[in-house]
Amino acid sequence: EIVLTQSPDFQSVIPKEKVTITCRASQSIGSSLQWYQQKPDQSPKLVIKYASQSIPGVPPRFSGSGSGTDFTLTINSLEAEDAATYYCQQSSSLPWTFGQGTKVEIK
Amino acid sequence: EVQLVESGGGLVQPGGSLRLSCAASGFTFTTSGMSWVRQAPGKGLEWVSYISATSSNINNADSVKGRFTISRDNAKNSLYLQMNSLRDEDTALYYCARSYSGIYYGAFAYWGQGTLVTVSS
Repeated sequence: EIVLTQSPDFQSVIPKEKVTITCRASQSIGSSLQWYQQKPDQSPKLVIKYASQSIPGVPPRFSGSGSGTDFTLTINSLEAEDAATYYCQQSSSLPWTFGQGTKVEIK
Repeated sequence: EVQLVESGGGLVQPGGSLRLSCAASGFTFTTSGMSWVRQAPGKGLEWVSYISATSSNINNADSVKGRFTISRDNAKNSLYLQMNSLRDEDTALYYCARSYSGIYYGAFAYWGQGTLVTVSS
């Protein structure tokens, strides 16, 4: 099973700052990495697929990069509505697995 | 508008059974792969099961193999999860999720609101 480790676990950020969340895979997964946003009491929402591919309807301040074992989700100019927990997920091999989550709080 | 509406959750004793349903609308269900993903209270996400559009490909997490069965009825635009031999650790909010198309089928494009399963005596 591929283990995904996110860092940090928690981040407190002021509006308009840039947020960077990393996800490291226990083995190479190519570009088969997704990012999800989960706001409190809501279901997850896909924000980036296949490491760097944007999703229609997701604001362009969300971007992804990386390949192999190291990936990054960047939120440029954070807005209050971006407060959420973010999860990475690999679809390279079964079982599909998620990172432990990174909670982003607005200061 | 894509809608996924789960139902069938509830309180069940350890060793008991439950059948979850997911009613899909707003997209072509018959060509979409589907999954169940769960989230224990206050915890992260765990993929549970996947079924391809024609039910020809089914995969399960090791934690539920031999106990849970995923199925679908394309005539009814519905997805199911039969859960047997339930354990305390199966307590979670169970989400129905639609896969992205093509090679991206491991990405979960849309999620329902979830149905809560509580296993307790």
